[in-house]
Amino acid sequence: ETGVTQSPTHLIKTRGQQVTLRCSSQSGHNTVSWYQQALGQGPQFIFQYYREEENGRGNFPPRFSGLQFPNYSSELNVNALELDDSALYLCASSPRDRAVNYGYTFGSGTRLTVV
Amino acid sequence: QQQVKQSPQSLIVQKGGISIINCAYENTAFDYFPWYQQFPGKGPALLIAIRPDVSEKKEGRFTISFNKSAKQFSLHIMDSQPGDSATYFCAVTMGRRALTFGSGTRLQVQP
Repeated sequence: ETGVTQSPTHLIKTRGQQVTLRCSSQSGHNTVSWYQQALGQGPQFIFQYYREEENGRGNFPPRFSGLQFPNYSSELNVNALELDDSALYLCASSPRDRAVNYGYTFGSGTRLTVV
Repeated sequence: QQQVKQSPQSLIVQKGGISIINCAYENTAFDYFPWYQQFPGKGPALLIAIRPDVSEKKEGRFTISFNKSAKQFSLHIMDSQPGDSATYFCAVTMGRRALTFGSGTRLQVQP
């Protein structure tokens, strides 16, 4: 059983640029969530995707957007990068169809640095 | 409004000792209370979780104590080992919603 894989592992971008981060969910998991973790902080929920549609969003501006594909993999896109967007971006997958929440499996994240 | 408050921010424990991390929440609708362990350069990994219908859950050296009336839950690590040195996060959620994490506790277990 493969876990959650994210790419790239590290990325440096310039302020104002756009970035795309990728995530492959764990086998059997059909829901993908994205989190932003600033240095020394807990992960903050960005949004969640289920059946290729956004299904819940945290307190993040519209320049944070995403996609989910038929194979349940997902992308996080950030436009007009700001210095404060520098963080570890985490992808987590879970089996949505269960009646209750059984927790999420996280990837190792993408470390984004905006200069 | 911070939905979950975690303390302490950092903790130093001697090998073999007990590590205790606490979290307090506000919303009584939360129905799932997990603890995650995160090592540097890695994503959080689920350690143990509890639902509000039980007051305690134990898995190996890790125990969650849950106090519904006080809206608090805590993680106890018995016989702490240097390999337990990591950052620990509590989280809360309800239904199938996303997790809301605490601010984290950096645990250092000294040999």
